[in-house]
This record gives sequence, C-alpha cells and structure tokens, in this order.
Amino acid sequence: GQQVMQIPQYQHVQEGEDFTTYCNSSTTLSNIQWYKQRPGGHPVFLIQLVKSGEVKKQKRLTFQFGEAKKNSSLHITATQTTDVGTYFCADPEAGNNRKLIWGLGTSLAVNP
Amino acid sequence: DADVTQTPRNRITKTGKRIMLECSQTKGHDRMYWYRQDPGLGLRLIYYSFDVKDINKGEISDGYSVSRQAQAKFSLSLESAIPNQTALYFCATSIGASRSDEQFFGPGTRLTVL
Repeated sequence: GQQVMQIPQYQHVQEGEDFTTYCNSSTTLSNIQWYKQRPGGHPVFLIQLVKSGEVKKQKRLTFQFGEAKKNSSLHITATQTTDVGTYFCADPEAGNNRKLIWGLGTSLAVNP
Repeated sequence: DADVTQTPRNRITKTGKRIMLECSQTKGHDRMYWYRQDPGLGLRLIYYSFDVKDINKGEISDGYSVSRQAQAKFSLSLESAIPNQTALYFCATSIGASRSDEQFFGPGTRLTVL
C-alpha cells in the first residue's frame, strides 16, 4: 500500500540555523499536506501542495513539491524556539476515499 | 481548535475496564476520524466516518469500536482496555467536499491503562 517516508526522524539545531525535513513516496502523490504539532499539542494544518514543482512560502517556511510528485520538503530558514515541534507530511489517498497517509514526523528541537 | 472538543482530556483506568472517549465538533463537517499517537509511531488511524451512516475501520481497529451518534459526535470505545492501549488519542474532522480536505484536530485524550 501507499507509504510516506519522512526523514530525518529527529533534528537538533541551534537557533538561527536552517532546518529541512523531507517526505518521500515510492508512488506518485496526489497532493501533500504538512502539519505541525507543538509539544503537548495537537497537529495543526500548515499547507497543502497540489501541483508538480509547486513552491509555497509562509514567512520563514518554504514548502516544495517535487516535479515527479514523489517527494516534498519543508525548509525553515533561521529557526526560532517557536519552531520547536514535530512536522508531519501526509498524503491524501487517491480517489474518493481521501484518508490521509501520514509520515512518522520529524521532531525539531531548537537550542536558544 | 475549540471547534473540536474531546472528553475526557486525561483518563487513567485499569485493565479490563470499558472506556468511552467522546468527540464533538461544531464545524459542521461530515468526516470524522479517530487516531492514536504513540512515540515514534506517528498518527495511526483507528476508525473513520464519512457521514452518520458510514463507518470504516482504519489500520488498527482491533480492540476498538465507534459510534457516530450524530454529525457532530463520534465516540470511541475500548470494550476491555489493555495496557498497550495506553496512548494519546486524537479526534479529527474534515469537510470532505473540497480538494483541500485538511483535517482539524481536537486537543487529544491521554489514556493510561494500568
């Protein structure tokens, strides 16, 4: 079945450093969604990418969808302590079902 | 999101007890989901419902049952709780009608089975 692999599992950075998490699939993704879960919180939707090669920005966050729609990335420029949390990618299943296939997440820790 | 509420927020119970976790939403969404989250295992889907009359098993439904009492309410039951059901449980909703179909999560219920 569909699987979404997310790397790295953990990342520890100094405040001000950049951070990237990658989401990869062996099959073509229909769309890709990204969520953030703060420690002790619940997942919150960040963005959805739909088009091949799409790039979207939200302040210091840059989301990219691969040309072949088999991978996606989230890049954070100049991390801040408010970026701490776990970032998940999720792939809506093709067709009418549309359950989300979740990556295992990347946990980001930021040293002040 | 205050639009999706879960009760209780925390629960400690004993092995063999029946437990019900409740989820309510005021978003008017048709689709509702129950997930469990364990460290290192991400979010795993237990059950999902696309409308009141439609209930489907997710990837880890064994030991769980659900009831969709109304569009706004979706309950998860553990008929006979066991320690490996100790986890963080999330309810989520989605509109289901749009291409985006982002999911909105409740605050979670932390369940401990002793």
